[in-house]
Amino acid sequence: EAQVTQNPRYLITVTGKKLTVTCSQNMNHEYMSWYRQDPGLGLRQIYYSMNVEVTDKGDVPEGYKVSRKEKRNFPLILESPSPNQTSLYFCASRTTGISYNEQFFGPGTRLTVL
Amino acid sequence: AQKVTQAQTEISVVEKEDVTLDCVYETRDTTYYLFWYKQPPSGELVFLIRRNSFDEQNEISGRYSWNFQKSTSSFNFTITASQVVDSAVYFCALRGFGSGNTGKLIFGQGTTLQVKP
Repeated sequence: EAQVTQNPRYLITVTGKKLTVTCSQNMNHEYMSWYRQDPGLGLRQIYYSMNVEVTDKGDVPEGYKVSRKEKRNFPLILESPSPNQTSLYFCASRTTGISYNEQFFGPGTRLTVL
Repeated sequence: AQKVTQAQTEISVVEKEDVTLDCVYETRDTTYYLFWYKQPPSGELVFLIRRNSFDEQNEISGRYSWNFQKSTSSFNFTITASQVVDSAVYFCALRGFGSGNTGKLIFGQGTTLQVKP
C-alpha cells in the first residue's frame, strides 16, 4: 500500500530534550516536506527536500533540522524543543515527475512540549 | 506573494442543508494548482480535489461540487444535503508553478464545519 508513515504519532516531552520525528514513504517520491498545523494558521511548511542530500528551509524553519540521507526517509529533528513548538506535524511527499500531483500526507504527529 | 484566505472560521448547519465553503487565493503565477483537503476529527488529511489554473470547469463528485472562477480568484466548495459525517475541518490550498516556487502548498486557515443531526 502506498503510504507515508510517521512516528511517533503522539509525543509529550519537556523543554530542551532533543527529539526526532521519523517520516518514511514507499512511493519512491523525490519531494518530501514537513508542515506544522496550528489553530487559525492552517498548515505551514517547515522544511522541504527536492531529493537526497538536497534540503531547504520553508516558511517556519526556526528550531528545526532535517536530513535526507535516503530517498525514502526525511526525519524532523528538534534539537532543543520549546513550548511554542507544540503543534500537529505532517510529513508529505510527492513525485516531481508530474507537476500537478497532489502531496501524500502522513497521519500526523501530535507533539506537546511542556 | 501567494496567499489563501478562508474567511469562514466556523460554519454550523443542520443535516440535509446545503453549505458552501469559500476560498479566495492570490498568486502572480499564471500556472498554479488548487486543492481541497478534509481533516476529520481523527486528524488525518484527506485529499478531495485538485484543479489546475487552465481548467475552469466546475466539478461534481456525488454530494460535493467545486466552483473555480479565475475572474474572482475563488475556488469554492459546496456540500449538498450535508450529513453528520461531513463534520470536519476543510482546507483550501494553492501551489504555484513558476520560477522561485519551492513546490510547497500554501494553506488557508481552514473552515470548521459542524453538521448537526
